[in-house]
Amino acid sequence: EDQVTQSPEALRLQEGESSSLNCSYTVSGLRGLFWYRQDPGKGPEFLFTLYSAGEEKEKERLKATLTKKESFLHITAPKPEDSATYLCAVQALDSSYKLIFGSGTRLLVRP
Amino acid sequence: DGGITQSPKYLFRKEGQNVTLSCEQNLNHDAMYWYRQDPGQGLRLIYYSQIVNDFQKGDIAEGYSVSREKKESFPLTVTSAQKNPTAFYLCASRGGTSGRDTQYFGPGTRLTVL
Repeated sequence: EDQVTQSPEALRLQEGESSSLNCSYTVSGLRGLFWYRQDPGKGPEFLFTLYSAGEEKEKERLKATLTKKESFLHITAPKPEDSATYLCAVQALDSSYKLIFGSGTRLLVRP
Repeated sequence: DGGITQSPKYLFRKEGQNVTLSCEQNLNHDAMYWYRQDPGQGLRLIYYSQIVNDFQKGDIAEGYSVSREKKESFPLTVTSAQKNPTAFYLCASRGGTSGRDTQYFGPGTRLTVL
């Protein structure tokens, strides 16, 4: 069964304290891995898509990486406005249109 | 501006009522999706549609129904058969025929059963 597990469930950081969020997945064949940011009471906002092991993508203080079993979202020198829930989802080769989501990591960055 | 709109933002339902959630997109995307989000859980797929007049059940379709009469619209009806409908409902759309295209989400509708 295809599955996505995110850790930790919650993370508290001081402003400027870099860290990483983990997304472990099991899927019969990976078509793509997606990262989204979600603010309370709002819809998820697309961040990155990764397609193959070794691929990396960056956006401001965020960098996403991908291996054959997991993805990391690295946050460098975070600011309070980075506080949000970060969602990871995978799309399997044999299910072109379905995204399987993890339960998310709630990030709080304190000033 | 191009995007996805959902209405209403908040919806209250009495026991035994059917309610319909609206989702409209002007991105010219072929595929549209409905997800349900419960506290502390990931998004779960209810229904999806890849083209007009066609749709498929997702993982948790029981108690829900949809229609896709127009490319830009994909309304979701929560029927009285849905035993626990209180949740945050999210609509998404995806462009192109390649499975690699990203799903973009609307702002959501929060449904509460009174």
